[in-house]
Amino acid sequence: GESVGLHLPTLSVQEGDNSIINCAYSNSASDYFIWYKQESGKGPQFIIDIRSNMDKRQGQRVTVLLNKTVKHLSLQIAATQPGDSAVYFCAENTGNQFYFGTGTSLTVIP
Amino acid sequence: DAGITQSPRHKVTETGTPVTLRCHQTENHRYMYWYRQDPGHGLRLIHYSYGVKDTDKGEVSDGYSVSRSKTEDFLLTLESATSSQTSVYFCAISRQSLGEQFFGPGTRLTVL
Repeated sequence: GESVGLHLPTLSVQEGDNSIINCAYSNSASDYFIWYKQESGKGPQFIIDIRSNMDKRQGQRVTVLLNKTVKHLSLQIAATQPGDSAVYFCAENTGNQFYFGTGTSLTVIP
Repeated sequence: DAGITQSPRHKVTETGTPVTLRCHQTENHRYMYWYRQDPGHGLRLIHYSYGVKDTDKGEVSDGYSVSRSKTEDFLLTLESATSSQTSVYFCAISRQSLGEQFFGPGTRLTVL
């Protein structure tokens, strides 16, 4: 199966600081990636996606960077807020299904 | 949760009993998926559907079956539940096969 992993299982940041969450993927043929946010007791929520023909994509307070050379994906959250506290995980699409990482738990310290 | 409901939200059952989980959508999306989420693992695909009565297996399909008799409903059945099937189950929908997936709120299943 595919291997989608995260460098850090937990991350704590001060409110107002920027957060960076990383993800490594193993299949160089993966052509579509998604970042999800999952709050306790809830289903995953789409944050932002990026296709393999792009290096960077920006949303509202979030930016995803894709480095295909080293098969690395990152999610940057600007001005992190307490409501950003959650588990974040990436998903890569290869063939006909997505493979999901295990997640990084982000805690925002007020 | 993008017009997706799952029922029941919580269930405790005993080993060997049949269990059916229901996913209902109001978005008229063609594709529907069942995943399980376990500690130390990312979401893993059990089965998916690409249309009414059209289904296929995912990477962890053993012990599970699915049915989709109408666009809005996707059922996941555990014919004879085992303790290894204790998990949180998520349904997801998407318009396209390789597009963004919207997830339901999940069903927490405990098999004793």
